[in-house]
This record gives sequence, C-alpha cells and structure tokens, in this order.
Amino acid sequence: EVQLVESGGGLVKPGGSLRLSCAASGFTFSSYYMNWVRQAPGKGLEWVSSISSRSDDINYADSVKGRFTISRDNAKNSLYLEMNSLRAEDTAVYFCARVEISRYSSGWYNYYFVMDVWGQGTTVTVSS
Amino acid sequence: QTVVTQEPSFSVSPGGTVTITCGLSSGSVSTRSYPSWYQQTPGQAPRTLIYSTNIRSSGVPDRFSGSILGNKAALTITGAQADDESHYYCVLYLGSGTWVFGGGTKVTVL
Repeated sequence: EVQLVESGGGLVKPGGSLRLSCAASGFTFSSYYMNWVRQAPGKGLEWVSSISSRSDDINYADSVKGRFTISRDNAKNSLYLEMNSLRAEDTAVYFCARVEISRYSSGWYNYYFVMDVWGQGTTVTVSS
Repeated sequence: QTVVTQEPSFSVSPGGTVTITCGLSSGSVSTRSYPSWYQQTPGQAPRTLIYSTNIRSSGVPDRFSGSILGNKAALTITGAQADDESHYYCVLYLGSGTWVFGGGTKVTVL
C-alpha cells in the first residue's frame, strides 16, 4: 500500500525550531518529487516547499523562505522539513505529498505535476 | 505575487450540477498550468480528484470532470450527491518547482 506518514509536530514557542518527518512506503520514494503543504486552522491549503528526487531542485514559498529547509534521505525513504524562527502564523497542519511530474507512455512523456498521494498530516502549534 | 481565485461557496441540490472555477489574478489559466483539483472534508487529508486539467484520479466517480472554461480551469460535479459536500481546492503549477493553491470552495448539497 502506498503510504505517507508525517511525524514531529507539536507545540513550540515563537522563535523556536521543529523538524518534521514524512516516512514513505509502498513506492519507489527515490523516483519522486515531494512537497510539503500546510493548512492553518480554518484556512485553505498552502504549498510550502518542494524537493526533486535527487535533491538538486529545491523551492520554497515566500512565506517560509530563509526559515524552513526541506531535505530527504532516499536510503531511509524519508522527507524532512526543518522549521526555524517559527511564528504564530506557521501554526498549521503540515502534509507531505508525493508529486507525479510525468509518466512515460507510448513513446513520450506526459506531464502532470500532480500531488497524487497525501499523508494524514502533523500539527504544529506556535504559541507562547 | 500570484493569486489563484475560486468562488468561496456554492449550494447545489441533490442531483444538480455545480461548476467551480479557478482563475489567476493576472493572466489566464491554460493546460500548461496543469490544473489539478482536490476534495477535502474537515479533519481529513486532501483527496486528488482531477489532474492535468481533465484526468480523473483512480476511483473518482465520473460525475466529476475538469476542463478549461474561457481563461479559467473548472471542476464540474454533475448529479451531485450528499457525500460531495466538501471543500474543493484547485492547484496550479507555476513552473520551476512551485505550485499555488486557490482559496478553496465550500460546496453544500441541500
């Protein structure tokens, strides 16, 4: 079964740090881009960060750039999000999501850029 | 800053049809934005419904369909059912490994 399981969330004070993990199973983790997406209480979804299969393409939303660091360990089938200088507005459920960029079929690549598998999320609360 | 717009809410009768749109604050949405659509009920992870404009994910009923309508992406529910009552989000791929979500649309079936 294809599965993503997040962990590492919790209560942290403003200015503090936290490291989230996402454990992947049931698919070849090293072949996929991965995303972090968050959802503040009562709000919509927000894309946070992406990382390519070999970690050579990393991107961040402006709201977290310079404070958050995405990384992965393909040997451990794990994705991470290191969060520093946390603010109240970072309070959210954080989801990891597998990204299918493309699929090879009938002699050519079809591109999709879809987040096709999601974890259940881990909750981060930033409060004094 | 790129803003993706969606209608905040819709109400639809059981068996009725509703179309949710996904636009850009500046510019048009095309297939090159690879629009995708997600359904989310409270407390749950998002569920992928439609990707690459109009491809249904595995197991998604065919009453859900995606398209480009004018300069926006669109999700249409034809023959709405009670368990379609959810929030729906579109996502656009902006290129260079970045995505942006719409604000979400709450669909009520009554």
